[in-house]
Amino acid sequence: QSVLTQPPSVSGAPGQRVTISCTGNSSNIGAGYDVHWYQQIPGTAPKLLIYGNNNRPSGVPDRFSGSKSGTSASLAITGLQAEDEADYYCQTYDSSLSGSHVIFGRGTKLTVL
Amino acid sequence: QVQLQESGPGLVKASETLSLSCTVSGGSISSHHWSWIRQSPGKGLEWIGYIYYSGSTNYNPSLKSRLTMSVDTSKNQFSLRLSSVTAADTAVYFCARGFTDSGGFYYDAFDLWGQGTTVTVSS
Repeated sequence: QSVLTQPPSVSGAPGQRVTISCTGNSSNIGAGYDVHWYQQIPGTAPKLLIYGNNNRPSGVPDRFSGSKSGTSASLAITGLQAEDEADYYCQTYDSSLSGSHVIFGRGTKLTVL
Repeated sequence: QVQLQESGPGLVKASETLSLSCTVSGGSISSHHWSWIRQSPGKGLEWIGYIYYSGSTNYNPSLKSRLTMSVDTSKNQFSLRLSSVTAADTAVYFCARGFTDSGGFYYDAFDLWGQGTTVTVSS
């Protein structure tokens, strides 16, 4: 079971703003590790959307933004478009007694109404 | 541009070893970390482990006892072997590249992915 909690689903109308939360704990996000976000269209590989908490790779529209505070992070999408309908995953690093490794959230399905 | 392509059997018998390879084309494997990530309906995305071109590795603790990753720089290829598989290992397996920004700073993120290959473990 993932230690990163995301809402199973969110929705919004075209043009609206939506946010997706990602809640961790003191061994991952709260330990200062960067949070990254991915967009996945069903049947395709995930696409890196945000890296290092709030940076966009080349080619990602500035409608997508990320933030991090304490043990949580958020992805915001403004000016919602039909093409934004996808699954979104947060990812970070976790360091515990069992070892250090990459972890993902369970994903959030975004529906554009 | 750089592309990743997974290859290997789509069907593996329970208790046997799953073997996959990822070929890097359009660029050199001798930079970046290279990871395996899998996705199953019940468990979402799960990072399996990464390997550097030098051969150093970091494995997911939950899979470490069954996992071996290797790299062949002459073939620009890296590989995964997962032993004693069960139905729980049925998933789409992706290979992916660790992200380095324009300043050369490495992030534990993945900016390039293969298309994924479906592996089913049969009883």
